[in-house]
Amino acid sequence: QTVVTQEPSLTVSPGGTVTLTCGSSTGAVTSGTFPNWFQQKPGQAPRPLIHSTSNRYSWTPARFSGSLLGGKAALTLSGVQPEDEAEYYCLLYYGGPHWVFGGGTKLTVL
Amino acid sequence: EAQVVESGGGLVQPGRSLRLSCTGSGFTFGDYTMNWFRQAPGKGLEWVGFVRTRLHGGTTEYAASVKGRFTVSRDYTKSIAYLQMNSLRTEDTAVYYCAGAIVGTIVSFDYWGQGTLVTVSS
Repeated sequence: QTVVTQEPSLTVSPGGTVTLTCGSSTGAVTSGTFPNWFQQKPGQAPRPLIHSTSNRYSWTPARFSGSLLGGKAALTLSGVQPEDEAEYYCLLYYGGPHWVFGGGTKLTVL
Repeated sequence: EAQVVESGGGLVQPGRSLRLSCTGSGFTFGDYTMNWFRQAPGKGLEWVGFVRTRLHGGTTEYAASVKGRFTVSRDYTKSIAYLQMNSLRTEDTAVYYCAGAIVGTIVSFDYWGQGTLVTVSS
């Protein structure tokens, strides 16, 4: 069973920078797993933020960026705003085929 | 406004069936792989299954947890994707989301619905 791992929680100060990571039990995350990132606030549906490693949607603020970093997918928030406090999920694609979510990172802006 | 809207959720007894619908509007439905995801109360997200476009054979794939019990299908004329859920279990209780994705050299979930709640309980 494939396991995707994320930091359970992170804290960042307003205006700061934070990087969330997404690792795979099968080895290095590559562009071929089409890393996607979603933001979810309490009581709301998930909102897509980044697709295919590093591509923003039209509604995604420029302070969000995606990359591959040290064998993992990464989501970096630069100039964090209070409204960025949320749960963030990564999603990876595997042959089989199937998609697997990470367990989510709860980001606190404090 | 382009969107997808889920419907059909509700309370159902264990062992029974339920069919969810996902209606797309404002975009070319046939160009999108239609996915279903779910989120149990207080838990993380889980992929359920998808149906590909005609271009990619219109075939389906499922998570191991629902394979053999759930079926994803689509009606191109009505721009609706369905999730037929049979032999429901209490652990299937969740908010079910559908999402339309472009699949090619990239995979982008362009359209994501607000979800419909399914409660499996006696």
